[in-house]
Amino acid sequence: GAVVSQHPSRVICKSGTSVKIECRSLDFQATTMFWYRQFPKQSLMLMATSNEGSKATYEQGVEKDKFLINHASLTLSTLTVTSAHPEDSSFYICSPYRGRNTEAFFGQGTRLTVV
Amino acid sequence: AQKVTQAQTEISVVEKEDVTLDCVYETRDTTYYLFWYKQPPSGELVFLIRRNSFDEQNEISGRYSWNFQKSTSSFNFTITASQVVDSAVYFCALSEARTGANNLFFGTGTRLTVIP
Repeated sequence: GAVVSQHPSRVICKSGTSVKIECRSLDFQATTMFWYRQFPKQSLMLMATSNEGSKATYEQGVEKDKFLINHASLTLSTLTVTSAHPEDSSFYICSPYRGRNTEAFFGQGTRLTVV
Repeated sequence: AQKVTQAQTEISVVEKEDVTLDCVYETRDTTYYLFWYKQPPSGELVFLIRRNSFDEQNEISGRYSWNFQKSTSSFNFTITASQVVDSAVYFCALSEARTGANNLFFGTGTRLTVIP
């Protein structure tokens, strides 16, 4: 399968600070990146879809100014949680799009705790 | 709109028992894909299977098997002779061709606990 590297795997930050999560597709170029969020003991929900070189598309209820997504290259997408609050504590996971006829690949996920 | 229902929130079985995890889906698309993923406590998603809507053949992979029935919109997953290492949360997911096929809509997951 494809190699996807996401880091950090865990981060604890203070309320009000910003946290950047990186997702790299190491062995293929991803024109599209999906970002999911999973609250404790809940399912994964799509937050946003980013396309290389253009603005991300956010799902309903996801604040674009709070969750900044940058997809500057075909192998790197970043998600920045700005002015983090405790309710942003969650598991964030990326999924670079490889093609229609493949499985969906995921990063290892980032567990964010805001204190 | 798409929907994936995993009615079983939690299941506990004794080691070596067989267990079936249910998944029922809804979609208006005629071309779609169904997935199962395993999520151990570490959090990463482990891919188990991907099946497209035109392939209703059941599949067996070792102790895992899947029963896809379009007539009932179900894609159930059976683990035979369960082992403690099977303990995890299992997600069924759906993607539709019209949305690009890799944007997944997940069910709420079933937490499986295998008791030694």
